[in-house]
Amino acid sequence: DTGVSQDPRHKITKRGQNVTFRCDPISEHNRLYWYRQTLGQGPEFLTYFQNEAQLEKSRLLSDRFSAERPKGSFSTLEIQRTEQGDSAMYLCASSLVPTSASYNEQFFGPGTRLTVL
Amino acid sequence: AQSVSQHNHHVILSEAASLELGCNYSYGGTVNLFWYVQYPGQHLQLLLKYFSGDPLVKGIKGFEAEFIKSKFSFNLRKPSVQWSDTAEYFCAVKGWGTSGTYKYIFGTGTRLKVLA
Repeated sequence: DTGVSQDPRHKITKRGQNVTFRCDPISEHNRLYWYRQTLGQGPEFLTYFQNEAQLEKSRLLSDRFSAERPKGSFSTLEIQRTEQGDSAMYLCASSLVPTSASYNEQFFGPGTRLTVL
Repeated sequence: AQSVSQHNHHVILSEAASLELGCNYSYGGTVNLFWYVQYPGQHLQLLLKYFSGDPLVKGIKGFEAEFIKSKFSFNLRKPSVQWSDTAEYFCAVKGWGTSGTYKYIFGTGTRLKVLA
C-alpha cells in the first residue's frame, strides 16, 4: 500500500458544470476525511466517514456538495453547479479509529486541485 | 468557536539559525495539538503531537513543541534549521463537532524558507 491516493490530481471546469473527485484511503483505515484548502489558508474540514457512515459535515459543505463512501473503502466528493469560489485544493485523509489510549495519525493524499473558470 | 492562529505567515532564516513558530488556539476543553509539515511538492505529514503528559514534545527531524496551557500556545521550535526544512508548517487542534464527533482545525500556515 503506497498511501492515500486521489484522482484526478488537477481538474479544470467551467462554471455550472458538475465535478467528482475520488479518494482511495490506506486499505485498513476505516476513517476518511475531506478537507478544502484555498490559497494562503490551512486545510478546512468538510466531512468525515467512519466506514460507510458520514458522521460529521461542516457548514462549508453546501447543498451543492455531496460525499459518499458506499462500501466503506473509497470515497467520492461531488460538486454540482460549480462556482468560481469552489476553486481550491481538495484534500483527503484517512486514519484508523482512535481509541482513548492512543492516537491514530491522519495520512493525507496529494489533493485534487480544482479550477473553475 | 474553536480556532487556531499562526502569527508568522512567512519566515526566512539562514541555515543553522534557530526557529520558533507561534501557534495559539482557542478552545476551553481538553486539547490535542498537532504540527503538520508540507514539503514542496509533497503531502501534508505529521511532525509532532501533544495529547497529555510532558508539555514538551519531540517530533521528527529535530523539531519540538511546547504546550503552555496558560497561554493557549503550542509553539514549534528547532535549535538549528537546515535548508531541507524549507516547507509550510501548519498548527492544528482537535476540536469537537456538533454531533459529538471530532474534527481537526488548522491554522493558516507558516511558509519557512531556509537560505543555504
